[in-house]
Amino acid sequence: KAGVTQTPRYLIKTRGQQVTLSCSPISGHRSVSWYQQTPGQGLQFLFEYFSETQRNKGNFPGRFSGRQFSNSRSEMNVSTLELGDSALYLCASSLDGDSGQPQHFGDGTRLSIL
Amino acid sequence: GQNIDQPTEMTATEGAIVQINCTYQTSGFNGLFWYQQHAGEAPTFLSYNVLDGLEEKGRFSSFLSRSKGYSYLLLKELQMKDSASYLCAVRVVTTDSWGKLQFGAGTQVVVTP
Repeated sequence: KAGVTQTPRYLIKTRGQQVTLSCSPISGHRSVSWYQQTPGQGLQFLFEYFSETQRNKGNFPGRFSGRQFSNSRSEMNVSTLELGDSALYLCASSLDGDSGQPQHFGDGTRLSIL
Repeated sequence: GQNIDQPTEMTATEGAIVQINCTYQTSGFNGLFWYQQHAGEAPTFLSYNVLDGLEEKGRFSSFLSRSKGYSYLLLKELQMKDSASYLCAVRVVTTDSWGKLQFGAGTQVVVTP
């Protein structure tokens, strides 16, 4: 069974640009969560999608947005990039985000802002 | 708000036992997960506790006390490959939050020969 796939693995952008990251969950998983990981802040929750609807949201500005498609694939968009957005962006999927179901993480997209 | 605390770093010798503590103050607690993350890799699921008590999985065990807001991950018979960051994550369910995970900053475990 294929794991969670994130593309691209690495990305370099400049301030002010926008970026779209992609996540394909494990087959059959309908919940997709996004996280930002930095050395100083650790893993910070961005948002979670389930059945094409945003079900949970973290404390990030509106420049961070996402969506989920009918096949459960998800995209995350960051507009007007800032230097502080440099981070590893991780996507995680689970069956339906319920109770003790663990989230399975992809390898992440490492975003660098110049 | 949510507050999850775990030590920054722990060092132990190969073959020894290490206990990583995690304390949390959170409303809407609905379970606690432990993840392992090797440098440059994705976090991988280790264990889940929602009721008080000990869950054992081979060399790894995890304990939860909901009344004390406390959990620990016990790593036995340490191996060099156990050198990694260990993340404590609390699942929160409230009126405006359905099952999102809040992570601690992680504990870097260094295993020495």
